[in-house]
Amino acid sequence: GIQVEQSPPDLILQEGANSTLRCNFSDSVNNLQWFHQNPWGQLINLFYIPSGTKQNGRLSATTVATERYSLLYISSSQTTDSGVYFCAVERANAGKSTFGDGTTLTVKP
Amino acid sequence: NAGVTQTPKFQVLKTGQSMTLQCAQDMNHEYMSWYRQDPGMGLRLIHYSVGAGITDQGEVPNGYNVSRSTTEDFPLRLLSAAPSQTSVYFCASSYDPGDRVNTEKLFFGSGTQLSVL
Repeated sequence: GIQVEQSPPDLILQEGANSTLRCNFSDSVNNLQWFHQNPWGQLINLFYIPSGTKQNGRLSATTVATERYSLLYISSSQTTDSGVYFCAVERANAGKSTFGDGTTLTVKP
Repeated sequence: NAGVTQTPKFQVLKTGQSMTLQCAQDMNHEYMSWYRQDPGMGLRLIHYSVGAGITDQGEVPNGYNVSRSTTEDFPLRLLSAAPSQTSVYFCASSYDPGDRVNTEKLFFGSGTQLSVL
C-alpha cells in the first residue's frame, strides 16, 4: 500500500515563530488532507489539498502532486497551535485514507 | 447538522468480552470507515464501506467485524476483546467530491477511548 512519511516527528517552537511541516507519499494520490489533533484528541480538518496552494489565516498548505509531497506552513505560531498534525492521503475516492505518524508541535509561551 | 456521531466516548472491557461501537452520520455520505489510533502513532484503517451492504478490510482488521445495513450507520464489533485492542477508535465518513472544490472531504467523529483489561 501507499506509504506516508511526515517530518519532523517533533517540533518545539517559541510563540511567534514560523514552521514548515512536510508530508511525503510514495504513490500518486487523488486526495490529501491535513488535520490538527488537539490536546483533547479531536481531529480538526485544516486543508483538503490534493494539489495547489491554499491559505487560511496563519496557515497555508502546498501540495506538489507530481513530486509526491505536501507542506503545511504555520506562521506566527501560538500556544493553541500545539498538538499533532497529520497528513492523510487517498489513492481513489473510496473512503480509505492512509495517515502518516504525525508531527507533534509544542509552542512555548 | 450533527456530522459523525460515535458512542460511547469511553469504555472499559475485560478480556474476552464483546461489544459494539456505534457510528452514525447524517450527511448522506457514501463512504464510512473505522480507524484505531495507538499512542504516538497515526490512524490505521480497520474496515471501510463504500455503500450500504458493502464492506472491506483495511490494514488491521483482525478481531473486528463490521456491517453496513443503512447509509447512515456503520457499527464496529469487537468479538472477543484483547488487551492489544486498547486504543482510541475513530469513525469517519467521506464522499466523492468529483470536480467540486471543497474544504473538507473526510469527516471524523470525536472518538471512543477503549481499555481492555
